[in-house]
Amino acid sequence: EVQLVESGGGLVQPGRSLRLSCAASGFTFDDYAFHWVRQAPGKGLEWVSGISWNSGSVGYAGSVKGRFTISRDNAKNSLFLQMNSLRPEDTALYYCAKDMSSGWYGPLDHWGQGTLVIVSS
Amino acid sequence: SYDLTQPPSVSVSPGQTASITCSGDELGDKYASWYHQKPGQPPALVIYKNTKRPPGIPERISGSNSGNTATLTISGTQAMDEADYYCQAWDSRTVVFGGGTKLTVL
Repeated sequence: EVQLVESGGGLVQPGRSLRLSCAASGFTFDDYAFHWVRQAPGKGLEWVSGISWNSGSVGYAGSVKGRFTISRDNAKNSLFLQMNSLRPEDTALYYCAKDMSSGWYGPLDHWGQGTLVIVSS
Repeated sequence: SYDLTQPPSVSVSPGQTASITCSGDELGDKYASWYHQKPGQPPALVIYKNTKRPPGIPERISGSNSGNTATLTISGTQAMDEADYYCQAWDSRTVVFGGGTKLTVL
């Protein structure tokens, strides 16, 4: 069974940093690309970032480019999102999602339960 | 940036057919996917590559994509189909989601 478990969320002050993690199990991790997708309270889905199977290709939404960094550790079946210079508008539930392919083109066929990030003073 | 436009809400009576549209420039030249999301749950893939269903998705859920519009069709709509639905495509090195449509089964 595919399992994706996010962690690392919490309350953080504007301008500070946070690192999210996603632990994967139940499949061959390094065969697939991954994504981070966020959802602000009561709002729709917003793609944040994607990474290919071997980290050779990454992409970011314009709203986070230059502040967030996606990475993965295939030896540890883990995905990460380093978030710097956080803003109140980054407040959201952050989902880790598995791509159906090795490139981060979508579709996203499995999702974690999410980890909540609140940016507030 | 590339935009996908969905109607905010669609209502349907039980047993009837619901259609949810997703519009984007030359969307028919791209692959469209659809996700549903029920309250308190993560999204779940229901259609990918325009028409394909993941395992466990019933045949009464179908998709199409042509021109500038992708359409999700739910036949014989049931109360369990009530959810938010999002379309998604890939363009210019970004994954794009539509704004979402709340499907209400009256």
